Amino acid sequence: GQQVMQIPQYQHVQEGEDFTTYCNSSTTLSNIQWYKQRPGGHPVFLIQLVKSGEVKKQKRLTFQFGEAKKNSSLHITATQTTDVGTYFCAGFRGGGRGSTLGRLYFGRGTQLTVWP
Amino acid sequence: SQTIHQWPATLVQPVGSPLSLECTVEGTSNPNLYWYRQAAGRGLQLLFYSVGIGQISSEVPQNLSASRPQDRQFILSSKKLLLSDSGFYLCASQGGSKYEQYFGPGTRLTVT
Repeated sequence: GQQVMQIPQYQHVQEGEDFTTYCNSSTTLSNIQWYKQRPGGHPVFLIQLVKSGEVKKQKRLTFQFGEAKKNSSLHITATQTTDVGTYFCAGFRGGGRGSTLGRLYFGRGTQLTVWP
Repeated sequence: SQTIHQWPATLVQPVGSPLSLECTVEGTSNPNLYWYRQAAGRGLQLLFYSVGIGQISSEVPQNLSASRPQDRQFILSSKKLLLSDSGFYLCASQGGSKYEQYFGPGTRLTVT
């Protein structure tokens, strides 16, 4: 069945260091989404990547979608304590071209801890 | 934008007791609705999803059930809770032309 694998499960970095989490799907995805969950909170949508090879940036965060639309990564440059939380990738498999019907397959998340 | 309401925020229930968690959505019509469960420090497990009133798909066989009596209302229920039902229950909505999901604040359920 559909699986989305995400590594690493945990990452501890010192403030100012970079951080990367990787996501890999067993099948081609319609799009891939990234969410952030702060400790004690709920997942919040960060971004969506749709096109093969797409790269998007949000300030210090860089998101990439692989050429085959099966893998993705999130890279944070110079982490800050505000980056603490769990980052989830989620692959969307829909009902057809342009259709928003479908479901998200979430990775297990990478829990990021940043110490000052 | 969508707003997802969930209640209660926390719940402590004894084993064998019933459960009813409610989720309501504002800001969109005819959304796809989802119930997830998250164990402590773990990922999101999809329990149920619904594409319309009365339409429920179950992902994991268990002693939980879901219902969608109204377009923007999604209910998670159980007749008899098990210890293994403890967790963080999240309702999510996906609507309109968007693919992304919006999550409610969640309910932390502890079964004792």
